[in-house]
Amino acid sequence: KQEVTQIPAALSVPEGENLVLNCSFTDSAIYNLQWFRQDPGKGLTSLLLIQSSQREQTSGRLNASLDKSSGRSTLYIAASQPGDSATYLCAVGIWQLTFGSGTQLTVLP
Amino acid sequence: KAGVTQTPRYLIKTRGQQVTLSCSPISGHRSVSWYQQTPGQGLQFLFEYFSETQRNKGNFPGRFSGRQFSNSRSEMNVSTLELGDSALYLCASSWGDRPDTDTQYFGPGTRLTVL
Repeated sequence: KQEVTQIPAALSVPEGENLVLNCSFTDSAIYNLQWFRQDPGKGLTSLLLIQSSQREQTSGRLNASLDKSSGRSTLYIAASQPGDSATYLCAVGIWQLTFGSGTQLTVLP
Repeated sequence: KAGVTQTPRYLIKTRGQQVTLSCSPISGHRSVSWYQQTPGQGLQFLFEYFSETQRNKGNFPGRFSGRQFSNSRSEMNVSTLELGDSALYLCASSWGDRPDTDTQYFGPGTRLTVL
């Protein structure tokens, strides 16, 4: 059974700081890894999707890497802004997605 | 292009009742997945539909069921509601024939409260 762990559970940083969120998974037989953002009481917004054959994916200030063999992914956020405050979730799987419990990020102005 | 829509947005029910939630995927998307989100268990997969067929089901009791219509719209039903069914129910759609190979687009969710 796939298990996904996200560390840290919560993170508070001052505006402008670069930060890294971590995601680890137990079963490397995955098709891709997806990073999502969730604002309080709302649905999820897809940020990045990394195919299993890729090692990283970039979108604006976001960069996600994937190391399938070690079962790890990182989401790098450059020059953080208060608007980045949200819960960030990673998800992996075959057919069905298994989600981590998320990292709650607070960016202080 | 309209996003994934879910109705109703909020529901309050009492134990023992049943409830039906609706999800309209993005136009052209054929795969619809349902998830339950609670503070204690996080996001858990309920089931996934493609072309009116349930292809995958998560580890939930038979009280949870669903269906998909020919226009890809989907409904999920929970019978004999329990207090523990209180949760945010999220629907997601994707274009391809597999929910794990394409970006999943989520709706805003239906907040179900069971009293």
